Amino acid sequence: EAGVVQSPRYKIIEKKQPVAFWCNPISGHNTLYWYLQNLGQGPELLIRYENEEAVDDSQLPKDRFSAERLKGVDSTLKIQPAELGDSAVYLCASSPTPGFEQFFGPGTRLTVL
Amino acid sequence: EDQVTQSPEALRLQEGESSSLNCSYTVSGLRGLFWYRQDPGKGPEFLFTLYSAGEEKEKERLKATLTKKESFLHITAPKPEDSATYLCAVQAETGGFKTIFGAGTRLFVKA
Repeated sequence: EAGVVQSPRYKIIEKKQPVAFWCNPISGHNTLYWYLQNLGQGPELLIRYENEEAVDDSQLPKDRFSAERLKGVDSTLKIQPAELGDSAVYLCASSPTPGFEQFFGPGTRLTVL
Repeated sequence: EDQVTQSPEALRLQEGESSSLNCSYTVSGLRGLFWYRQDPGKGPEFLFTLYSAGEEKEKERLKATLTKKESFLHITAPKPEDSATYLCAVQAETGGFKTIFGAGTRLFVKA
């Protein structure tokens, strides 16, 4: 069974540029998460989806971050414009239902210059 | 406020030297506690879920235990391939299904 797929794996951009990350969860997993992980820290939740609905986006900086999960499968996380402090690893995870263990993708390492 | 604290931040062991990692948590009712392993450049990999005090789970050289305030990940006779960062995470009964992660313990096992 294929795991969580994320692309790109690495992205280097200039500050103020836009950037987008893509995630394809494990087939059949209704719950999808986007996390941000800084070096030496644990993942921090940005947004959680149940099917197409964003049920927890309280930690998403909505002035520059946006996300969507069309048709309740793939998801895209966007930053516009990027700032230096956005440099981090962005992780996508999925689970069959909330409350179960999460399966993580390899992450996208973003560097903002 | 819900909080997870892991200690030590880093742990260096000789191969075969058993030890334990600690995860202390403060939540308003525990729904579940999770342990993950993370290798450099990869996403976290699920190890265990614990739901109630007194529960224990084992997998190869790893054993996770849970009390009302903390969880331990015991590593018996570790090997170099056990070197990784071990993350603890909790879900509270309140606040929906938000998962809060600790900062992790970086484990180094030397041959």
